[in-house]
Amino acid sequence: DAGVIQSPRHEVTEMGQEVTLRCKPISGHNSLFWYRQTMMRGLELLIYFNNNVPIDDSGMPEDRFSAKMPNASFSTLKIQPSEPRDSAVYFCASREDSWASPEAFFGQGTRLTVV
Amino acid sequence: RKEVEQDPGPFNVPEGATVAFNCTYSNSASQSFFWYRQDCRKEPKLLMSVYSSGNEDGRFTAQLNRASQYISLLIRDSKLSDSATYLCVVDFYGGSQGNLIFGKGTKLSVKP
Repeated sequence: DAGVIQSPRHEVTEMGQEVTLRCKPISGHNSLFWYRQTMMRGLELLIYFNNNVPIDDSGMPEDRFSAKMPNASFSTLKIQPSEPRDSAVYFCASREDSWASPEAFFGQGTRLTVV
Repeated sequence: RKEVEQDPGPFNVPEGATVAFNCTYSNSASQSFFWYRQDCRKEPKLLMSVYSSGNEDGRFTAQLNRASQYISLLIRDSKLSDSATYLCVVDFYGGSQGNLIFGKGTKLSVKP
């Protein structure tokens, strides 16, 4: 398996533009997480899906952020409109979600810069 | 509120030293615990799970104290390659329907 695949790896955009980050989880994994990492705040959980259903989105900063998981193999995180304070590394992670295999596997992240 | 607290460090130690990291969590209902490692500009990766009885993997030993809501990681005979940020992770529900909450990490720098 290729692991968790995120795209793009780097994104530079102007303030006010829409940004869409993409994630393909590992096949067979039924939980998917979106995290944001900054030096100041560390790794923050934004939203968590289980079997394609959003379970906890309490970490989503505000209405400018939205996430979808239309099927088991694809998820998006959208920021509209983007602001400079959204600059961060965004990670997607997935896991099988069983007692035997609780490890979460991360993608390589998307480094977002909003200017 | 789900919180995981760690000493950010940095811990600067010489090769061969023993170093210990601690972590506390806020929710007594937490079920699963982990240590992840993150190298600079890379994604986090699982180092080891933490079990109630404590567990060891080579030079690494993890301990869990549920009564005190406290997790520890001990690294013996540290190597230059151990330099990284170590993230304490708590699964606040356990197994299915779990949220993985990360601490901000403890930075370790092993010097020659």
